[in-house]
Amino acid sequence: DIVMTQSPDSLAVSLGERATINCKSSQSILYSSNNWNYLAWYQQRPGQPPKLLIHWASTRESGVPDRFSGSGSGTDFTLTISSLQAEDVAVYYCHQYYSSPYTFGQGTKLEI
Amino acid sequence: EVQLVESGGGLIQPGGSLRLSCAASGFTFSTFWMHWVRQAPGQGLVWVSRIHGDGTSTMYADSVKGRFTISRDNAKNTLYLQMNSLRAEDTAVYYCARANNGYDYWGQGTLVTVSS
Repeated sequence: DIVMTQSPDSLAVSLGERATINCKSSQSILYSSNNWNYLAWYQQRPGQPPKLLIHWASTRESGVPDRFSGSGSGTDFTLTISSLQAEDVAVYYCHQYYSSPYTFGQGTKLEI
Repeated sequence: EVQLVESGGGLIQPGGSLRLSCAASGFTFSTFWMHWVRQAPGQGLVWVSRIHGDGTSTMYADSVKGRFTISRDNAKNTLYLQMNSLRAEDTAVYYCARANNGYDYWGQGTLVTVSS
């Protein structure tokens, strides 16, 4: 199984400041035949289902604010929120859809 | 508008069975892989099972293999999860999710509580 490890477990950032969440996979999730990283990021607010923010490690979903960006390749990935807004308080998960079982990171709780 | 609506959760004794349903609308259901993902209270997300659009291919997490069965009825645009021999550790909110470069749509979830 591919183990996804996020850091930190929790993060407090001031409004307007940058937040950075890291995700490391135990093996590469870069598919060599298409050069795509099978990595997604989700935001989960309390009492809500997760919301897909980014897929293919760096492609933002339609409607997601451009302050959210994803980067990385192979085994190391980063979600960056460039200027934190109050509505960004949530738990963030990385997720590999490269191979079954489709594992998630343990989550990073983002607070202000 | 894409919608996924789960139902069928509830309180069940250990060893019991439940069948969850996920009613889909707003998209061509039969063309998408569908998955179940669960979340124990206060915990993270855990993948449970997946099924191909035509229902011919399924896969399960080791923790549920042999106890849970995923299926779908494309005529009814509905996904199912039959859960047998339930254990306390199966207690969770169960989400159905559409697979599309990650999970682009999720239901609101249905809570399954396994307790005597």
